[in-house]
Amino acid sequence: DVKVTQSSRYLVKRTGEKVFLECVQDMDHENMFWYRQDPGLGLRLIYFSYDVKMKEKGDIPEGYSVSREKKERFSLILESASTNQTSMYLCASRPGGPNNSPLHFGNGTRLTVT
Amino acid sequence: QQPVQSPQAVILREGEDAVINCSSSKALYSVHWYRQKHGEAPVFLMILLKGGEQKGHDKISASFNEKKQQSSLYLTASQLSYSGTYFCGPQDRGSTLGRLYFGRGTQLTVWP
Repeated sequence: DVKVTQSSRYLVKRTGEKVFLECVQDMDHENMFWYRQDPGLGLRLIYFSYDVKMKEKGDIPEGYSVSREKKERFSLILESASTNQTSMYLCASRPGGPNNSPLHFGNGTRLTVT
Repeated sequence: QQPVQSPQAVILREGEDAVINCSSSKALYSVHWYRQKHGEAPVFLMILLKGGEQKGHDKISASFNEKKQQSSLYLTASQLSYSGTYFCGPQDRGSTLGRLYFGRGTQLTVWP
């Protein structure tokens, strides 16, 4: 079974802090995703990576950056956390290209910025 | 870029049927469907690849109309276990790298 592991289930940070959310997958997938989930807004794509060091912006990249130095690890970075970034963050992975493979999600990180 | 899902919420009694619709403004390669239960990660239900293709998962099936850029999820004789939020993820033809957007979700509640 594919395993996507997010390093923290719950995280509390202060406004202005630099925050790292880590995601690791064990299936050598090319594609990795970061989504943000808020009530009523569904799953919004923040960033997408299709290979090591390759990335694309999603719908809501403002205030976020990403890092993919190794294939298995995709990090989401909040350069200066703000209260409106309090949310549930979901990481996902799957094989590359337009294909019929499903996304495998991690269990999510619930981030609270105070 | 988010696809449009309707309805936003559905409340059913066990045994009743429901339809969830998903539409995109882009030409589609495929459509994914996922279900998320409260406090859990979304779980894959099915992928539809061809125009008109229908797939099934238990008593949950779906259709895909390429021309209309739409997909519908059909839940027949609903069970308590069907409760959750359903998301569609249309993959557009321009996304050759595999990028995937999701809709806002449809919250389905099934009562005994």
